[in-house]
Amino acid sequence: GAGVSQSPSNKVTEKGKDVELRCDPISGHTALYWYRQSLGQGLEFLIYFQGNSAPDKSGLPSDRFSAERTGGSVSTLTIQRTQQEDSAVYLCASSSSPGTGGEQYFGPGTRLTVT
Amino acid sequence: EDKVVQSPLSLVVHEGDTVTLNCSYEVTNFRSLLWYKQEKKAPTFLFMLTSSGIEKKSGRLSSILDKKELFSILNITATQTGDSAIYLCAAGVGAQKLVFGQGTRLTINP
Repeated sequence: GAGVSQSPSNKVTEKGKDVELRCDPISGHTALYWYRQSLGQGLEFLIYFQGNSAPDKSGLPSDRFSAERTGGSVSTLTIQRTQQEDSAVYLCASSSSPGTGGEQYFGPGTRLTVT
Repeated sequence: EDKVVQSPLSLVVHEGDTVTLNCSYEVTNFRSLLWYKQEKKAPTFLFMLTSSGIEKKSGRLSSILDKKELFSILNITATQTGDSAIYLCAAGVGAQKLVFGQGTRLTINP
């Protein structure tokens, strides 16, 4: 596609429910990243995929968070038993090749509100 | 622990002024320093710097990296109201991870 897309754009859920956030990277981009941005904060790295594997899961804040990527393309970030502190904008990014140490293209994000 | 610190956190200036945004980093396995502009949700790429002392320019924006002192600056000259945004600095670490600073919120008043 022309850019990174994410869905839904907004999600309001009740505390304790599970949510799934979706990311469609730029076609052909092998690397995919998930970040979280809480109100007034910078971006917090969550997880990185190279192809379908996740060599770096160091940023996942708890075992309630998981992510998968299939077919080297679409990725889903799942948050189980959501808590109010999970409220944030979840941003996905993709890049074209490994080892560039560089440019990532971001999607518009999903704003998650846990009530 | 990898850390990127930006200053100031917030800056308000008048249209036409020149601004300098600062970014210092302390990370292991440094690869690059990136600047992004965030207006609504999606950060948009501005610059990637890998070599010390070489200025990168794009119109009224420019940036430079000092790998000895571990910092970078982003300059914007002749600011316009459309430059109002959050400016994010990130250190590229290891294979592809980015460690972000907290951002500088820049407001340009007419």
